[in-house]
Amino acid sequence: QQKVQQSPESLSVPEGGMASLNCTSSDRNFQYFWWYRQHSGEGPKALMSIFSDGDKKEGRFTAHLNKASLHVSLHIRDSQPSDSALYFCAVSDSGYNKLTFGKGTVLLVSP
Amino acid sequence: DPKIIQKPKYLVAVTGSEKILICEQYLGHNAMYWYRQSAKKPLEFMFSYSYQKLMDNQTASSRFQPQSSKKNHLDLQITALKPDDSATYFCASSQGLGGQDTQYFGPGTRLLVL
Repeated sequence: QQKVQQSPESLSVPEGGMASLNCTSSDRNFQYFWWYRQHSGEGPKALMSIFSDGDKKEGRFTAHLNKASLHVSLHIRDSQPSDSALYFCAVSDSGYNKLTFGKGTVLLVSP
Repeated sequence: DPKIIQKPKYLVAVTGSEKILICEQYLGHNAMYWYRQSAKKPLEFMFSYSYQKLMDNQTASSRFQPQSSKKNHLDLQITALKPDDSATYFCASSQGLGGQDTQYFGPGTRLLVL
């Protein structure tokens, strides 16, 4: 079973709408959950990390973590066409900052 | 200016050959990594280095050998190439090895093995 599972596989929202992505890990030894974004032809870029229960907000992006269920979500408010990309959830463990990634969610924001 | 340089951008190789993927980072970071991304698997951790020392190795095959000649360099040598090695290889770096340290990824080298 994959250690990091993401849903949905793909998501389409209108410009200005809210996009919600989900991630669950089976690793109780995690240190941080991370969200990364990858545009076509580029390397992944970190959006934010979260460690504590509750919400963490950075601009239009809000992550919510429930440590008991090892579930994290990412909400993108006022989605823009430039937000169209592949979004990865990843967990860092207590070792040497190894990131374990999920398969990703493809987000399409249509004008 | 790009802060993490990976060369070449594209690479075509024949089965059984050997290639070296180059990575240089100009972020002043102390830790560097290699990841692999293929159509079949999500982004996959391969190695982590700190101050030019190997810290973690998650590759099952000794055909993959990282090489660090300077603190800001981490090359990846791949020998006896197989078609299954076809993937995009990303180099990354971070200030330290803590779980809170952001990893910054390079643009990748896309390898195709025929």
